[in-house]
Amino acid sequence: DGGITQSPKYLFRKEGQNVTLSCEQNLNHDAMYWYRQDPGQGLRLIYYSQIVNDFQKGDIAEGYSVSREKKESFPLTVTSAQKNPTAFYLCASASGTQYFGPGTRLTVL
Amino acid sequence: GENVEQHPSTLSVQEGDSAVIKCTYSDSASNYFPWYKQELGKRPQLIIDIRSNVGEKKDQRIAVTLNKTAKHFSLHITETQPEDSAVYFCAARKNTGTASKLTFGTGTRLQVTL
Repeated sequence: DGGITQSPKYLFRKEGQNVTLSCEQNLNHDAMYWYRQDPGQGLRLIYYSQIVNDFQKGDIAEGYSVSREKKESFPLTVTSAQKNPTAFYLCASASGTQYFGPGTRLTVL
Repeated sequence: GENVEQHPSTLSVQEGDSAVIKCTYSDSASNYFPWYKQELGKRPQLIIDIRSNVGEKKDQRIAVTLNKTAKHFSLHITETQPEDSAVYFCAARKNTGTASKLTFGTGTRLQVTL
């Protein structure tokens, strides 16, 4: 787990703003994932990437965008099109076993 | 696609008792089943996993059993302690190369009371 970092830990966004959440891993994992978790709820998959320069939509991709230009990095942009973005965002990476980063808590002001 | 159902949604046990959480999956091609523990405000952490060629796996007080025929798997925690209180998620995956991703259950909130 220590090989996956997310920043910032807390993020505040005004309505109408785009924000980008960082996710970096030094585990040499090919696969990376973004999940959203609302209070008291489960994990919902936003986007995932199995290889550099390729990614697929998950179950709730609308209002989000990603890029995978480097193996170790998988940033997530929360766009103004996401109407209710306040949530806990978790990044994960996997090579067989999947591990999670510490998360970013996003709040819309 | 895969669907994973998890029961119960909440579970309260007394310290020292056992706890059992059950999951069912829909896709018979799924072959990997991990369990994650998430403490309040923290990341989910892998506590145990099992592959489809094994029926049971143990790690100290934790065990997982898998019934491929019935398509269900269970987490067993014995001699529960207050620090076992958390939300537990089961998941299932089939290894299909570029489409490989976990499908999670909805979680079980376990409360261990003194």
